[in-house]
Amino acid sequence: AQKVTQAQTEISVVEKEDVTLDCVYETRDTTYYLFWYKQPPSGELVFLIRRNSFDEQNEISGRYSWNFQKSTSSFNFTITASQVVDSAVYFCALLSRGVDRGSTLGSLYFGRGTQLTVWP
Amino acid sequence: DAEITQSPRHKITETGRQVTLACHQTWNHNNMFWYRQDLGHGLRLIHYSYGVQDTNKGEVSDGYSVSRSNTEDLPLTLESAASSQTSVYFCASSRDRMTEAFFGQGTRLTVV
Repeated sequence: AQKVTQAQTEISVVEKEDVTLDCVYETRDTTYYLFWYKQPPSGELVFLIRRNSFDEQNEISGRYSWNFQKSTSSFNFTITASQVVDSAVYFCALLSRGVDRGSTLGSLYFGRGTQLTVWP
Repeated sequence: DAEITQSPRHKITETGRQVTLACHQTWNHNNMFWYRQDLGHGLRLIHYSYGVQDTNKGEVSDGYSVSRSNTEDLPLTLESAASSQTSVYFCASSRDRMTEAFFGQGTRLTVV
């Protein structure tokens, strides 16, 4: 079965601090994708990144970076020099090919989200 | 620009009433999904569709139905609204089964 765990329910930091959001996933599928979405206070869900299970290269996009480690089934997200505008709920999600019993091909399995608050 | 829109954005309804939430996308995506978001649960899949005339149940489908008569629309119907269905509902679409999904703005439904 598919499972995504975001153990950190809430994180508070002060502006300019670095912060890492943890994501641990479970799947028996060998081909899968991992995602991060941002949900700002306005409520919409904004796609941030997609990684496939065969590509363990870390990725950096501006102040955002992602660390994918298959050995520990983790896909962590780091914000460097956080800003107040980074305050949001961040969701990690898993999408598999549907081989694992109980999974739905093409559907995202979400973690419960991490509320990040960045104080000025 | 292509987009995905939900309507209404907010709705209050009474227990027992039938409610339909609309979802319309202009990306010509084959895959469409409905999720509900509740505190402490993240987003959970209600129903999904891989194409016209195709509909499937998700994790929390009881009390909900969908129909897909064209590529652009996937309306979600609550047959007899219950207070437990008070939630924020998100519609999403994706180009194919292994790509990212794009979400609508959400519909906040309150059942009183």
